[in-house]
Amino acid sequence: DTEVTQTPKHLVMGMTNKKSLKCEQHMGHRAMYWYKQKAKKPPELMFVYSYEKLSINESVPSRFSPECPNSSLLNLHLHALQPEDSALYLCASSPFDGRGNSYTFGSGTRLTVV
Amino acid sequence: EDKVVQSPLSLVVHEGDTVTLNCSYEVTNFRSLLWYKQEKKAPTFLFMLTSSGIEKKSGRLSSILDKKELFSILNITATQTGDSAIYLCAVVSIQGAQKLVFGQGTRLTINP
Repeated sequence: DTEVTQTPKHLVMGMTNKKSLKCEQHMGHRAMYWYKQKAKKPPELMFVYSYEKLSINESVPSRFSPECPNSSLLNLHLHALQPEDSALYLCASSPFDGRGNSYTFGSGTRLTVV
Repeated sequence: EDKVVQSPLSLVVHEGDTVTLNCSYEVTNFRSLLWYKQEKKAPTFLFMLTSSGIEKKSGRLSSILDKKELFSILNITATQTGDSAIYLCAVVSIQGAQKLVFGQGTRLTINP
């Protein structure tokens, strides 16, 4: 299995809703990432988990809450989002073997906040 | 602050032309440079470069890294309309943890 699987593919939520994005990989990768991508912009890093521990939080608002239950799963819990949070949310993983390694991206969740 | 700059930001050429996309970087603790192609959804991996002067090739695409001058180029020869996409350059750096920093991307359009 050489894929990163993200669900759902599309999500529409109201500003008072609570929802979660899910990401799964079975490549044995020990680093997992959440990126946010707005239209016509490059992906922006949000969070990095290394060996199931949060190692980087790029000053992301607390309405986004990441969780890494085990080495294969990464969640992003969403609460009280704003319309400007509408974007493509990408999950990625990497082997993190310290030698300069490649990343694998999921196909993303396109989130619309109404 | 880590920085990755791509040029040009946009490029329109005719089918069959050869294009060169540029990427320069300033990052702390460089590990590798990656090229991705992005159409409608997630970026798809093209190349990973870690050593200077070693060209990587895949069909009509090739790429090389210069770690002294801190840049990389991506070449596409005999372009086809299917090459139309955004090409992203990204650099892996280590600052406590490993992170991937993206450039702004080059939007490439190939006209028939």
